[in-house]
Amino acid sequence: AQSVTQLGSHVSVSEGALVLLRCNYSSSVPPYLFWYVQYPNQGLQLLLKYTSAATLVKGINGFEAEFKKSETSFHLTKPSAHMSDAAEYFCAVSGYTGTASKLTFGTGTRLQVTL
Amino acid sequence: NAGVTQTPKFQVLKTGQSMTLQCAQDMNHEYMSWYRQDPGMGLRLIHYSVGAGITDQGEVPNGYNVSRSTTEDFPLRLLSAAPSQTSVYFCATRRQADSNQPQHFGDGTRLSIL
Repeated sequence: AQSVTQLGSHVSVSEGALVLLRCNYSSSVPPYLFWYVQYPNQGLQLLLKYTSAATLVKGINGFEAEFKKSETSFHLTKPSAHMSDAAEYFCAVSGYTGTASKLTFGTGTRLQVTL
Repeated sequence: NAGVTQTPKFQVLKTGQSMTLQCAQDMNHEYMSWYRQDPGMGLRLIHYSVGAGITDQGEVPNGYNVSRSTTEDFPLRLLSAAPSQTSVYFCATRRQADSNQPQHFGDGTRLSIL
């Protein structure tokens, strides 16, 4: 079985500060990992994905994440937060279970950006 | 190119009523799925389909039915609505069922059961 743990349901940073959103995963097979962002009253949009190529993955809007197998982590970072980054962020792991690859989501982290 | 279209966007039901949430995609994707999103619980898989005529249960299937008669459409039926089914429902698709490529999400249906 696969699972994802996101540490911190709410994170608040100042505009211009580093953003760090934490994600740890559990998977019995090599994982495929994703970060999605959800803006208010919208669906989920893909930020970035790890599919066993480079361990440092760059995504949209200046975000990146590093896959660390030894720590079973896939933390999301952005060097300088912008007000427009305020949203909810979901980490997810994908694994094939015999009929299809299924996504398992974390519980989400709401990012607040203050002036 | 509309992508994934969900209708309606909002709905209020009374306990015991039935309803169908619609999901349509124009990307010829093989895989379609339904999730519910509840505060503090992330997204949980309700049902999914790997192609026309093939459906399977996800993590929280009770109280919901699905069918897939065409590649494009994947409706979700609430048989007898209960307050516990108050949630935001998302439809998501992916080109191939066994791929680990990202899924594409609709904008959601916000459902309240009174």
